[in-house]
Amino acid sequence: QVQLQESGPGLVKPSQTLSLTCTVSGASINSGGYYWSWIRQHPGKGLEWIGYIYYSGTTYYNPSLKSRVNISIETSKNEFSLKLSSLTAADTAVYYCARARHGDNQGWFDPWGQGTLVRVSS
Amino acid sequence: SSELTQDPAVSVALGQTVRITCQGDSLRRYFATWYQQKPGQAPVLVIYGKNHRPSGIPDRFSGSNSGNTASLTITGAQAEDEADYYCNSRDSSGNHLGVFGGGTKLTVL
Repeated sequence: QVQLQESGPGLVKPSQTLSLTCTVSGASINSGGYYWSWIRQHPGKGLEWIGYIYYSGTTYYNPSLKSRVNISIETSKNEFSLKLSSLTAADTAVYYCARARHGDNQGWFDPWGQGTLVRVSS
Repeated sequence: SSELTQDPAVSVALGQTVRITCQGDSLRRYFATWYQQKPGQAPVLVIYGKNHRPSGIPDRFSGSNSGNTASLTITGAQAEDEADYYCNSRDSSGNHLGVFGGGTKLTVL
């Protein structure tokens, strides 16, 4: 059973950089066919895709966040990470990591981590 | 356009059938994926592809696509189906999978 678990600070100051890690168990992050993803959800709002990374290191980012986002992968630790810079209060959200898979005309995120609440405040 | 549009809220009587819809240009080329999210929990995949259910998802959940509209149907809604439902698909260019609908809150009466 594949499981993902987010870790990182729950409180970050404005203008700082958020760093989160997702640890994967039950599957090798180094196996092909999956994209390792970050998605966030503002309080009481919908889901917003941040980006994902393939095991090869190829990344795909939400155009609206691209200038502030970096996703990296550490295959030796079976984990991947998110860095989001220049934080403001608008970045306060629950951050999820998830595994994504693409088909020719379909795709899905499954499974998801439990999520971690990040608050941006001084 | 890379947007997916959902009705904000839908209600259904216990045991009845409900359809939750998702509209977007990308759905003319790509299937929608559906997630269920209950309060305080992470989203759970319920339908993907043409009409596939992951293991553990009851068969009362089904999906369909027509033109620019995808639908999630719950046949015989149960109290435990009360949740937020999100559709998801690729952007119109197929570059990534990161387009989500705004979500539909389903109330089971």
